[in-house]
Amino acid sequence: DGGITQSPKYLFRKEGQNVTLSCEQNLNHDAMYWYRQDPGQGLRLIYYSQIVNDFQKGDIAEGYSVSREKKESFPLTVTSAQKNPTAFYLCASTTRGAGYGYTFGSGTRLTVV
Amino acid sequence: KNEVEQSPQNLTAQEGEFITINCSYSVGISALHWLQQHPGGGIVSLFMLSSGKKKHGRLIATINIQEKHSSLHITASHPRDSAVYICAGDSNYQLIWGAGTKLIIKP
Repeated sequence: DGGITQSPKYLFRKEGQNVTLSCEQNLNHDAMYWYRQDPGQGLRLIYYSQIVNDFQKGDIAEGYSVSREKKESFPLTVTSAQKNPTAFYLCASTTRGAGYGYTFGSGTRLTVV
Repeated sequence: KNEVEQSPQNLTAQEGEFITINCSYSVGISALHWLQQHPGGGIVSLFMLSSGKKKHGRLIATINIQEKHSSLHITASHPRDSAVYICAGDSNYQLIWGAGTKLIIKP
């Protein structure tokens, strides 16, 4: 079955370390997105990519980096510059064809210890 | 003022009750999405609406384009419906998210 795979589900990181969250989709979707969710708050856009080798900053891109070398993959790196990285991270994808909808991953919960 | 607003923020009801969650938006959108988030965090897409009404099982979603308002209804609610329900407007290929409605259905 097609879908989005996010890994790992839970991740612990020491302060000062970079960490990369994986997002892979086999839906042939063009656009991919990374969101951050803090307890009791709505989702906020970190980065998005509408085509391979191109991506744009969202509302809260500082301290994060992404790449889109393949259509299927959109990894997110949480760098040491991100001051408060503990959060739930969600990946999504969509296509721009007729009847498009969004597909979401199961998320990664990152805790900085 | 948020561009997509949901109400209520929290809702507790007894099993079997009819549930309504509201979503109002102030921006132009091409579609309105209703999504469900369970305690584990994963999000499931329930409906995508650009007009009218859609039904899936006990869930019904409606949208009024002129009034920029959408509602999600749950008939014969059940404890397994307990989750956070989120509406999101699709505007220029970006999702604008509501803050979510936390629904608890008590047996």
